[in-house]
Amino acid sequence: DIQMTQSPSSLSASIGDRVTITCRASQGIPYHLNWYQQKPGKAPKLLIYSESTLQNGVPSRFSGSGTATDFTLTISSLQPDDIATYFCQQTYSLPLTFGGGTKVDIK
Amino acid sequence: QDQLVQSGAEVKRPGSSVKVSCTASGGPFSSSSISWLRQAPGQGLEWMGGIIPFFGTADYAQKFQGRVTITADKSTKTAYMELSSLTSEDTAHYYCARAQSRTGTNIVDYYYYMDVWGTGTTVIVS
Repeated sequence: DIQMTQSPSSLSASIGDRVTITCRASQGIPYHLNWYQQKPGKAPKLLIYSESTLQNGVPSRFSGSGTATDFTLTISSLQPDDIATYFCQQTYSLPLTFGGGTKVDIK
Repeated sequence: QDQLVQSGAEVKRPGSSVKVSCTASGGPFSSSSISWLRQAPGQGLEWMGGIIPFFGTADYAQKFQGRVTITADKSTKTAYMELSSLTSEDTAHYYCARAQSRTGTNIVDYYYYMDVWGTGTTVIVS
């Protein structure tokens, strides 16, 4: 199975800050990386797929980038509505696997 | 608007089984894949397995092999997940999710990204 390691596990930032979350795959998974946002008590919501493609309706302050094993989710200017937990997911091979999550809150 | 509506919360005894349904409205069903995932309280997401209704065969994570059965009824656009031999460690929120497919010939190409998620079903084993 492909292991996905996400960091940090939590972070606090101020409104307007640039926030970066990283995800490392245990083997190369070029482009096969998605990002989800989950708010408390809700199902996850797709933010970015195929490493850098923004899902319809997702604000442009979210962006994704990466190499074959190392990926980054960036929020260019943190907003109150971004308070959530973020997960990366690989879809290179089955079983699909997720990172452990990054909880983002306001400082 | 595409939706996946799941069956209601369940409370089960250890050793029993639970069967959760996921009914799709709008959007493709047969040509997509439906995954089942779970999330224990305060924990991350775990993929249990999935099915491509068009083919009718399911794939399972090794951890759940032999204990989980995923099926789909194309006529009612409903997918099911049955988990047996329940223990307290199976207490979790269970989600179904529809994935879009990408160009390719591998089964994993039907699991490109999960764009529609179910309403969630809480299963408590006690």
